[in-house]
Amino acid sequence: KAGVTQTPRYLIKTRGQQVTLSCSPISGHRSVSWYQQTPGQGLQFLFEYFSETQRNKGNFPGRFSGRQFSNSRSEMNVSTLELGDSALYLCASSFSGVEQYFGPGTRLTVT
Amino acid sequence: SQELEQSPQSLIVQEGKNLTINCTSSKTLYGLYWYKQKYGEGLIFLMMLQKGGEEKSHEKITAKLDEKKQQSSLHITASQPSHAGIYLCGADKGSNYQLIWGAGTKLIIKP
Repeated sequence: KAGVTQTPRYLIKTRGQQVTLSCSPISGHRSVSWYQQTPGQGLQFLFEYFSETQRNKGNFPGRFSGRQFSNSRSEMNVSTLELGDSALYLCASSFSGVEQYFGPGTRLTVT
Repeated sequence: SQELEQSPQSLIVQEGKNLTINCTSSKTLYGLYWYKQKYGEGLIFLMMLQKGGEEKSHEKITAKLDEKKQQSSLHITASQPSHAGIYLCGADKGSNYQLIWGAGTKLIIKP
């Protein structure tokens, strides 16, 4: 089975811009979770989608949003980028939502 | 403070030596997951423990979950350079299909 894929792998954006990240889960997995990882804060949960519905949401501002399509692929959008949004964004897929398999991540740098 | 406490935060071990990483919660956990991360990359699933007293091994890595299901240890025997990385524990609290995470343990293997 192919693993979780994330695109793009690296991204450089300017403050105030918006960005969209994509995640393709393992075939058959209906749950996709998104995380932000920074050296200072560690792994922080953004949100989780299951069968196109947001099932869980972390404590992030409304600038962070996501969606899931009928084929389980998911996108995450960050609007009005801030310097503090620079991070590794990880996507994880799961059949049920708990045992998660991670993608390689997208490294976002905001300048 | 983290809901899951990992210790130590970092570890430098001579190649060939054994080591142990701990993950502790103040509450009973429904499942405990160990992951390994190479710098800047995604998390690789190592093992999942669900039953009190459960122990699992994969190659030279052994993980245990205590009887109360509040503490897990990850033990590496005869460490090798390939074991270097960040080890994270994630736990299922039994609600919301969401994992909570430890801050990670950075492992360096000295040749």
